[in-house]
Amino acid sequence: GENVEQHPSTLSVQEGDSAVIKCTYSDSASNYFPWYKQELGKRPQLIIDIRSNVGEKKDQRIAVTLNKTAKHFSLHITETQPEDSAVYFCAASTSGRGSTLGRLYFGRGTQLTVWP
Amino acid sequence: GAVVSQHPSWVICKSGTSVKIECRSLDFQATTMFWYRQFPKQSLMLMATSNEGSKATYEQGVEKDKFLINHASLTLSTLTVTSAHPEDSSFYICSARGIGLARNYEQYFGPGTRLTVT
Repeated sequence: GENVEQHPSTLSVQEGDSAVIKCTYSDSASNYFPWYKQELGKRPQLIIDIRSNVGEKKDQRIAVTLNKTAKHFSLHITETQPEDSAVYFCAASTSGRGSTLGRLYFGRGTQLTVWP
Repeated sequence: GAVVSQHPSWVICKSGTSVKIECRSLDFQATTMFWYRQFPKQSLMLMATSNEGSKATYEQGVEKDKFLINHASLTLSTLTVTSAHPEDSSFYICSARGIGLARNYEQYFGPGTRLTVT
């Protein structure tokens, strides 16, 4: 099955700096890569996702890049704010026509702390 | 749109008793629902996948006789933890994929249920 590795496990940055979290995956059939933000005791919240037919996607301060050849994808947060502090999870999935399960394979998570 | 609810949000039960957790898709039909367990400071661990009207598919190491999953309708799946023990204490989260949604590849997560077994 799919194996998703995520680094770093913890990341501390100063407010206003950028944060980058990296993930690798093993299954070349994976074609959907979401990123989730989870605050303590709450559900994972989808913050951005990318499908394998594009290499980059941006939404305001958040961007995701995908390198299918190298099987890695990254989350970039610019101009970080204290409220960005949370655990971030990457995931990979095989999804599309004909896929009946579409299960997500999660990374281990990154605890991001943004210091004011 | 695409809202998933869970009930209860938290529950405390005594060792040896059973607990049922409900997961509902409120505004879409969920063809597939997923059940996860999350221990403190750890990632989400998939327990099982259920498709409406068929038996759940359990992940390796998850006891299907202990964690009973029923997906009886397109809007409701239940997880019953039977003969609960303190080591079953965890955060249980469901998610759902649906039909008729623009993003039918996305999973929509419920708010989670905190189970504490004393």
